Amino acid sequence: GAGVSQSPRYKVAKRGQDVALRCDPISGHVSLFWYQQALGQGPEFLTYFQNEAQLDKSGLPSDRFFAERPEGSVSTLKIQRTQQEDSAVYLCASSLDERGNTDTQYFGPGTRLTVL
Amino acid sequence: DQQVKQNSPSLSVQEGRISILNCDYTNSMFDYFLWYKKYPAEGPTFLISISSIKDKNEDGRFTVFLNKSAKHLSLHIVPSQPGDSAVYFCAASPTLNTGFQKLVFGTGTRLLVSP
Repeated sequence: GAGVSQSPRYKVAKRGQDVALRCDPISGHVSLFWYQQALGQGPEFLTYFQNEAQLDKSGLPSDRFFAERPEGSVSTLKIQRTQQEDSAVYLCASSLDERGNTDTQYFGPGTRLTVL
Repeated sequence: DQQVKQNSPSLSVQEGRISILNCDYTNSMFDYFLWYKKYPAEGPTFLISISSIKDKNEDGRFTVFLNKSAKHLSLHIVPSQPGDSAVYFCAASPTLNTGFQKLVFGTGTRLLVSP
């Protein structure tokens, strides 16, 4: 079946521009996660949704970052007034349900954002 | 403050031999540990996991060992194959009231298996 998909795969933005990154999770998956992966680093947690509810946004670096999942399926990560330090790969992951901390997360291919 | 550390950025082994990837963590609240494998231009793929109540979990060629007292885990791949060449990330998850898996990743180890 289809895995997690993300679009666009690559995005180049000029500093100060707003960007929107889309994530289509695996159908029926309740949980959705966003991660940021800087060059040479591991992914870092940004935010978590359970259905349409954003239960944890502690990893969002600033108030320029905003995520939503209004209907509990597709999610959008929006970055306002992009800065060069926002350049990274943004990964989305989904898992079937909220079975404690043992539920496997399935990752999408990521969106590589470059801010000039 | 790097809570999950992979001190070897790269590892080279010959096909058929054992690959051992290491990971150390500092947060004693972590109680679930995972290894992910990542090919270029793809997202991480789950490989194997272990709960803190165990010290070993095996799945085919892959075995993860956990030493809680040393806050150390390792991934053994036997025998190694060229298709195993990828970046391997160690990840850990603490117990949280919300019950979801809040992964903390290491920086990764690039494994190269040569024929």
